Parts: sequence; C-alpha cells; structure tokens
Amino acid sequence: AQSVAQPEDQVNVAEGNPLTVKCTYSVSGNPYLFWYVQYPNRGLQFLLKYITGDNLVKGSYGFEAEFNKSQTSFHLKKPSALVSDSALYFCAVSDTGGFKTIFGAGTRLFVKA
Amino acid sequence: EAQVTQNPRYLITVTGKKLTVTCSQNMNHEYMSWYRQDPGLGLRQIYYSMNVEVTDKGDVPEGYKVSRKEKRNFPLILESPSPNQTSLYFCASSLISRDTQYFGPGTRLTVL
Repeated sequence: AQSVAQPEDQVNVAEGNPLTVKCTYSVSGNPYLFWYVQYPNRGLQFLLKYITGDNLVKGSYGFEAEFNKSQTSFHLKKPSALVSDSALYFCAVSDTGGFKTIFGAGTRLFVKA
Repeated sequence: EAQVTQNPRYLITVTGKKLTVTCSQNMNHEYMSWYRQDPGLGLRQIYYSMNVEVTDKGDVPEGYKVSRKEKRNFPLILESPSPNQTSLYFCASSLISRDTQYFGPGTRLTVL
C-alpha cells in the first residue's frame, strides 16, 4: 500500500538553528513528492516539489528538501530557522496512477526565539 | 487574483440535514480535489476530478458525493451528515494531476 510517514508529531528548534522535518514514503514507480505548510486558520500553501532531476530541491521561504531514493525519504530542511516558520508541515506524494494524493499526518514545528 | 474559494467557511448542522459545500477556482485548472483534515490523521482525500464530468473516489468517500458539471466548480455534497463527518474540509485544484495543488481557505463543519 502506498503511504507517507512523518515520524515526528512535533519538532522544536531555536531561532537561528538549522531545522529538519522528516518524511519517508512508500510508493511504487517514480514518486512525485511535495511539501506544504499550514499556518493557523489558513489553508495549505505549497513549499516545494520533487519530480525528477537534482536530488536537492529549493523552494519558498528558504526551505529545501533532499530526495533520497535508496532511503525513500524526502526531508525538509532550512539552514536557519525563524520564529515565523512555526507552523504545521505536510509531506505528500502522488500515487503511481497520478490521480490520488497521499498526505502524511503532519509535523508541527515550533521555533523558539 | 488566482484563488480557490469555498463556502461556507463555517457550518453547524444537525444529523441528516443535507448540505452542500461549494468550491470554485478561477485558474482554469483541470484537476480538483476534496480533503478532510482531522487531528493526527493529516489530510485524507475524499474525491477528485480529472476534468469536467470525470470524478473518482479518494481514500474516504463514504457519505459524500461530488459533481463536476463546469470546469471551475466542484461542490461537495453530504446527503445525510453524521457526527463522524465533523471535520475541516479543504478544496484544492491543480493544472493537471500530479501537479502543485492550490488550496481553498477551508470549511469547518460541525454535525450535531
């Protein structure tokens, strides 16, 4: 069965420190991978995606993600966290057929000043 | 402004009373989808539509109906709502499937 796992419910990091939000996936074929962010009382906003090519993908607000095929992971990273990065982050994958989207349970990021 | 709109934003209703949540996009997107968000479960796909008159079930379609008669609109229908359908609902659209999705602001539904 196709799935997405975000193993951490919550990540805490101090402002200015690097952050990582983890995501692993299970899907047959070549995955299309996405990260979205949800701020309080808002809809989801797109951060970045991996379709093919360079394993390091750069996205909005200074975020980047690294695709690792052998570990089936797509971890979200940022070199220096900001308090304003505090939000709920979702990893998602399009299934092999391309029509369904599977989301992880989400990881809440807290950045402390 | 390119956007996905949903109405209503908040709705409190009673068990069994039919309701419709509307969704509209102004980006000429082919693909549209409905999700529900529940704590600890993330977003789960209810239904999706690849184009006008083409819809299919997601992972949690029970108790819901959809239609896609026009490209821009994709309403979600709950013909007999039950308390387990209390949730936060999001509509989303993308140019094609497997592409970046643009989300509406959400509809918070409470079924008593």
